Amino acid sequence: DTEVTQTPKHLVMGMTNKKSLKCEQHMGHRAMYWYKQKAKKPPELMFVYSYEKLSINESVPSRFSPECPNSSLLNLHLHALQPEDSALYLCASSQEGQENTEAFFGQGTRLTVV
Amino acid sequence: GENVEQHPSTLSVQEGDSAVIKCTYSDSASNYFPWYKQELGKRPQLIIDIRSNVGEKKDQRIAVTLNKTAKHFSLHITETQPEDSAVYFCAASTGTALIFGKGTTLSVSS
Repeated sequence: DTEVTQTPKHLVMGMTNKKSLKCEQHMGHRAMYWYKQKAKKPPELMFVYSYEKLSINESVPSRFSPECPNSSLLNLHLHALQPEDSALYLCASSQEGQENTEAFFGQGTRLTVV
Repeated sequence: GENVEQHPSTLSVQEGDSAVIKCTYSDSASNYFPWYKQELGKRPQLIIDIRSNVGEKKDQRIAVTLNKTAKHFSLHITETQPEDSAVYFCAASTGTALIFGKGTTLSVSS
């Protein structure tokens, strides 16, 4: 299984809502990532988890809260978002502790904040 | 932190021509350089990658070259086809996470 699965595929939420994005992989990867991608822009790194511990937070606003419940799952909790947070949110995973290897991307969650 | 510059931002070629996209990186500790293709509405897909101990790598019509001294690497696509039309991103990593270039929109006309 070389898939990274993200749910939901699409999400529309109001600025007062609380929602969560989910990501799952069963490749035994111990590094997992959240990226944000706006239209016609590159993926922008948000968070990195290594062995289920947060290792990088790229100065992301606190309205985005990541969580790694176990080695296969990665969540992104959303609260009080702004319309400018509308974007494609990509989860990725890769092996850790070895020579750099391929990062596998999920299909993304397209988020619209209204 | 790492900064990756990518050129050109758009590239239009005729079917059968070659296409070249160039990237430079800033962090000399970067040691992994993948290239991703992203079609509209889809996830980035790895098409080829190269590690810092290799100068060139080829996979059918696609090749990547790396010049560590100059800190630049390039993607070469030969015999382009309409289905090669997409956005291409280069990236660099020191082992923590991928940092992407701004992307190149490649259009191949038949």
